[in-house]
Amino acid sequence: GAGVSQSPRYKVTKRGQDVALRCDPISGHVSLYWYRQALGQGPEFLTYFNYEAQQDKSGLPNDRFSAERPEGSISTLTIQRTEQRDSAMYRCASSLVAGSNYEQYFGPGTRLTVT
Amino acid sequence: DAKTTQPPSMDCAEGRAANLPCNHSTISGNEYVYWYRQIHSQGPQYIIHGLKNNETNEMASLIITEDRKSSTLILPHATLRDTAVYYCIVIDFGNEKLTFGTGTRLTIIP
Repeated sequence: GAGVSQSPRYKVTKRGQDVALRCDPISGHVSLYWYRQALGQGPEFLTYFNYEAQQDKSGLPNDRFSAERPEGSISTLTIQRTEQRDSAMYRCASSLVAGSNYEQYFGPGTRLTVT
Repeated sequence: DAKTTQPPSMDCAEGRAANLPCNHSTISGNEYVYWYRQIHSQGPQYIIHGLKNNETNEMASLIITEDRKSSTLILPHATLRDTAVYYCIVIDFGNEKLTFGTGTRLTIIP
């Protein structure tokens, strides 16, 4: 079956512009997670949802970052007024149900470059 | 969540068993041990997880010591496609987020 998909796969934007990154989880998966990965580092947690409810946004770096999942399926991570330090791979993951006994399935990521 | 310690890199000959250690000496009773790997620039891939018993699936075996302070991931017959960064993650029951460290870069040598 289809895995987690993300779009766009690559995004180049100029400093100060807003960007929206999309994640389409595996159908029927309750939980959806956003991570950010710098080159040579492991992914870093940003936020997660159960259904449409944002459960934890403690990893969002500042208030320029926001995420939504209005219908409990597709999610959008928005970065306003982008800065060069926002350049990274942004990864989305989903899991069947919430809970530490369930694995997360990761998408291919969106490579964001802020020039 | 408990922190984990892994060697930064390891080599293993193709066809041999790869044994990847992880130290999690501050693990508590409700915390699971998870292993993920990341091949090149792909997204992390789940391998296996366990609470206190040893576990085996089609990809690997997970051996957890009796005191649960360390574990070993075993890839029984390593292939070149197993070259990847392997992450050992300890996650509390009821917690959702994965905290990746720097992992072990495993290189399979032909």
